[in-house]
Amino acid sequence: EDQVTQSPEALRLQEGESSSLNCSYTVSGLRGLFWYRQDPGKGPEFLFTLYSAGEEKEKERLKATLTKKESFLHITAPKPEDSATYLCAVLNQAGTALIFGKGTTLSVSS
Amino acid sequence: EAGVVQSPRYKIIEKKQPVAFWCNPISGHNTLYWYRQNLGQGPELLIRYENEEAVDDSQLPKDRFSAERLKGVDSTLKIQPAELGDSAVYLCASSLSGDTYNEQFFGPGTRLTVL
Repeated sequence: EDQVTQSPEALRLQEGESSSLNCSYTVSGLRGLFWYRQDPGKGPEFLFTLYSAGEEKEKERLKATLTKKESFLHITAPKPEDSATYLCAVLNQAGTALIFGKGTTLSVSS
Repeated sequence: EAGVVQSPRYKIIEKKQPVAFWCNPISGHNTLYWYRQNLGQGPELLIRYENEEAVDDSQLPKDRFSAERLKGVDSTLKIQPAELGDSAVYLCASSLSGDTYNEQFFGPGTRLTVL
């Protein structure tokens, strides 16, 4: 069964304190892994797509990496405005739907 | 560029009542998705349209849910009758085509509360 598990469920950081969010997945033949950011009361906002192990993508303080079994979202020197829920998703085996994890809620305090 | 528009933003109804949600995707986007997001969970796909055709509705509870996308643009999702367990945020998303899931653009969602 295609599945996505994110950890931790919640993460509290001080401003400037770097950390990583984990997304582990089980799907045969990964077709794509996606990271989204969701602010309260809003829809998810696309961040990155990764397709193959070893791939990395960066955007401002965020860097996403991919292995054969998991992906990491590294946050370097976070700021309070980085506070949000970060969702990970993979395309299902049939390539017809995104399977989302439950998300990691990040809180960054100044 | 205008984003995905959804209305209403909030809806409170009694159980067994009908309810409808409306979505206007980004202009030129052929693929439209309806998701349901329960509290503390990630979105779950209900139905996907390619233009006017529903190409994936396997997760849509067809006994009470229905959807349409007339003229391949706006879409409406309906629940009749609503049950307590239908309380959730209903998200609409669109993308240029279904060939790639890159950059699905999501609307703000409709928060449904069933009493």
